[in-house]
Amino acid sequence: AQTVTQSQPEMSVQEAETVTLSCTYDTSENNYYLFWYKQPPSRQMILVIRQEAYKQQNATENRFSVNFQKAAKSFSLKISDSQLGDTAMYFCAFMKRRTGTASKLTFGTGTRLQVTL
Amino acid sequence: DVKVTQSSRYLVKRTGEKVFLECVQDMDHENMFWYRQDPGLGLRLIYFSYDVKMKEKGDIPEGYSVSREKKERFSLILESASTNQTSMYLCASSSGDYNEQFFGPGTRLTVL
Repeated sequence: AQTVTQSQPEMSVQEAETVTLSCTYDTSENNYYLFWYKQPPSRQMILVIRQEAYKQQNATENRFSVNFQKAAKSFSLKISDSQLGDTAMYFCAFMKRRTGTASKLTFGTGTRLQVTL
Repeated sequence: DVKVTQSSRYLVKRTGEKVFLECVQDMDHENMFWYRQDPGLGLRLIYFSYDVKMKEKGDIPEGYSVSREKKERFSLILESASTNQTSMYLCASSSGDYNEQFFGPGTRLTVL
């Protein structure tokens, strides 16, 4: 079974600064996907960024980028130029590809990020 | 845009009641999921469905059942609600084998 660990329950960053959220995972699979989801207060969960394990290049989406270290099983999220709207709970998630049925997500316990003035 | 809706944002029920949580998606996704979210535990998968009338247990199916009679609708059923089922319930949908999941707004269920 896969496990996903987020060791930082809460973090705080000042507006315009950069912050990195950590995530490690444990799997024996070679073909999988990793995701970061964001859940703003009282709002719906949305996808931030996604990484395919077979791709060596780190994924980026505007101010969001990841540092994917496959051998170390590490998948951290970097938020540059933090904005007040980035305040949210962030979840790291692992997906093993399955055929013939739906692929399931395994989530970490989340990191609550507070962006301050 | 994909839209996933859930029948209630807040629900209060009594111990022993039968509870139905409804989820509807409008993007013709074949896959639908039910999670519960608890502080310090993240999201845990209860059940999922990859086609109409097809279902599979997730990691914590005990005390729950599901129904998918139509492609767009996925229901979570608590046959006899208990206080330890007080939680936030999130529905999600996706297409294909490995695409992102789109989430609904959640239902905060309190069982007294």
